[in-house]
Amino acid sequence: ILNVEQSPQSLHVQEGDSTNFTCSFPSSNFYALHWYRWETAKSPEALFVMTLNGDEKKKGQISATLNTKEGYSYLYIKGSQPEDSATYLCAFSSSNDYKLSFGAGTTVTVRA
Amino acid sequence: DGGITQSPKYLFRKEGQNVTLSCEQNLNHDAMYWYRQDPGQGLRLIYYSQIVNDFQKGDIAEGYSVSREKKESFPLTVTSAQKNPTAFYLCASSIDWTGFNQPQHFGDGTRLSIL
Repeated sequence: ILNVEQSPQSLHVQEGDSTNFTCSFPSSNFYALHWYRWETAKSPEALFVMTLNGDEKKKGQISATLNTKEGYSYLYIKGSQPEDSATYLCAFSSSNDYKLSFGAGTTVTVRA
Repeated sequence: DGGITQSPKYLFRKEGQNVTLSCEQNLNHDAMYWYRQDPGQGLRLIYYSQIVNDFQKGDIAEGYSVSREKKESFPLTVTSAQKNPTAFYLCASSIDWTGFNQPQHFGDGTRLSIL
């Protein structure tokens, strides 16, 4: 099982504030980096699949960057809203076997 | 609507009993997966199937079995050999096994508990 670390484990944000958090993964045999949003009582929903070093992707007020050489990705939430409250999972895919190795997630709580 | 359906939502297992978790998809995806979630840990891969009539062990396959007789269906059996089955189980699918630039799609999960 490959080591994928997410930090922090949880964070609280005031509505309207911006925040960001990190996913660290092995810097060798990179194939893809996935981000998912998992709201309580729902199924995980794909946010981004990133495949190129330096990639930046955006969906609404959420964006992500990727550095495959140093093995990290940042997820940013701009102007957080209560509906952004969720656990955000990242998952690393290796070119060895394509299987996804998941981090434990960062749980974001947006306070109104 | 296209998606993945897992059933039941909650399941209880008695000692020595095998139980089967259902996973059905109507996305026409070739690849399907079973993950297990324990508190404070990332999702861990139990079994996966690249294509119908094929399946492979994931990272924590001991005490579990699967079948893939139809493209749409990938049931997971938790056998009595799995000594710590209490967990949340997620089924997922993707267009194909290599999944380049393609996300996985997830069901709502099944929570399994021991009686």
